[in-house]
Amino acid sequence: KQEVTQIPAALSVPEGENLVLNCSFTDSAIYNLQWFRQDPGKGLTSLLLIQSSQREQTSGRLNASLDKSSGRSTLYIAASQPGDSATYLCAVTFNDYKLSFGAGTTVTVRA
Amino acid sequence: EPEVTQTPSHQVTQMGQEVILRCVPISNHLYFYWYRQILGQKVEFLVSFYNNEISEKSEIFDDQFSVERPDGSNFTLKIRSTKLEDSAMYFCASSVIGGGETQYFGPGTRLLVL
Repeated sequence: KQEVTQIPAALSVPEGENLVLNCSFTDSAIYNLQWFRQDPGKGLTSLLLIQSSQREQTSGRLNASLDKSSGRSTLYIAASQPGDSATYLCAVTFNDYKLSFGAGTTVTVRA
Repeated sequence: EPEVTQTPSHQVTQMGQEVILRCVPISNHLYFYWYRQILGQKVEFLVSFYNNEISEKSEIFDDQFSVERPDGSNFTLKIRSTKLEDSAMYFCASSVIGGGETQYFGPGTRLLVL
């Protein structure tokens, strides 16, 4: 079964520290991987999409890497701010068009 | 910037009642999706829709569920006879094409079945 796992489930860092969020998936045959942000009780905001042919994507303070052979992606958030506090979800498109989600990592950035 | 919209934002219903959740996808998008998130659980895929028909559905999407694109802008999810376990946040998403493109999500409809 194709699974997406995110560890840790929760993370607390002081403001200014870099965040490293991990995502692993069981099947290397993926179309793409998408990172989302979810605020409590809210919808999903797409942050970055990495195609299977790419190694990384960058947007502002965010950088996501993809290593298909080891089934891993990492989201880096540089110089974290209290406004970065949210749940970050990793979602993978395997051999179809639907997204398979991880359970998320809940981040708290302490001022 | 174009966005996916969903109505209502909250819906409370009695068990056994029918509900219709509405979505307006981004206008030039061709693929539409419904996902749900039960409180404290992962976001789960329900169904994808393209060219006026279902392209894929999960085992959750049984005969109680149906989807429709009644006009050129709306995309609806109907639950025929709601159960307590249907209580969840329901998200609509759309993408320009399937497979390799970003899916854009709406803000969700929180459904509570009593």
